[in-house]
Amino acid sequence: DTGVSQDPRHKITKRGQNVTFRCDPISEHNRLYWYRQTLGQGPEFLTYFQNEAQLEKSRLLSDRFSAERPKGSFSTLEIQRTEQGDSAMYLCASSLGTGPLFFGSGTQLSVL
Amino acid sequence: ILNVEQSPQSLHVQEGDSTNFTCSFPSSNFYALHWYRWETAKSPEALFVMTLNGDEKKKGRISATLNTKEGYSYLYIKGSQPEDSATYLCASRGGSNYKLTFGKGTLLTVNP
Repeated sequence: DTGVSQDPRHKITKRGQNVTFRCDPISEHNRLYWYRQTLGQGPEFLTYFQNEAQLEKSRLLSDRFSAERPKGSFSTLEIQRTEQGDSAMYLCASSLGTGPLFFGSGTQLSVL
Repeated sequence: ILNVEQSPQSLHVQEGDSTNFTCSFPSSNFYALHWYRWETAKSPEALFVMTLNGDEKKKGRISATLNTKEGYSYLYIKGSQPEDSATYLCASRGGSNYKLTFGKGTLLTVNP
């Protein structure tokens, strides 16, 4: 499978716990994006990497959110001290330059 | 227009009907307009990436037009089929060349 893969598909956690999601983009893609989607809304931009450099981060992202893309390959998104409002679908996508985004299946986070 | 807006929010049509949706986006500092189809339990899939004013693209029974001066794009589906049922998302990229801002989508249901 050469598509974008995300792990885990589902995550249930208790409020206050830390969670980490992983995204493996299409190997030749240099751009990687994280989006969050809640019911009734479109995907909301979180952050963007070009190779290993994080070039843009949404102001909506609090200090509890951090993302990395070591060596410009896979990426991780960590949420510390989760809150119920963090419950959402977290989508990862990659692209080659400014071409179309290829999305993973997402990680559905439920914070109890 | 500061955000990407889509209308209608949802649409029910009969099999065989033709339909269209609207996407409005900021016309200043425009770079590209994307259309995606998001079927339930699947990942969003790119339909079109459009950059030039007056651009018109077609993929099977689906086509899209772009007006960058007034900031709108139309997506047309000719002879809708039940398998066309999905959420159709548009997204605009501005001069920053990084962030792709999505609308809330149009949920299309095609009844057999």
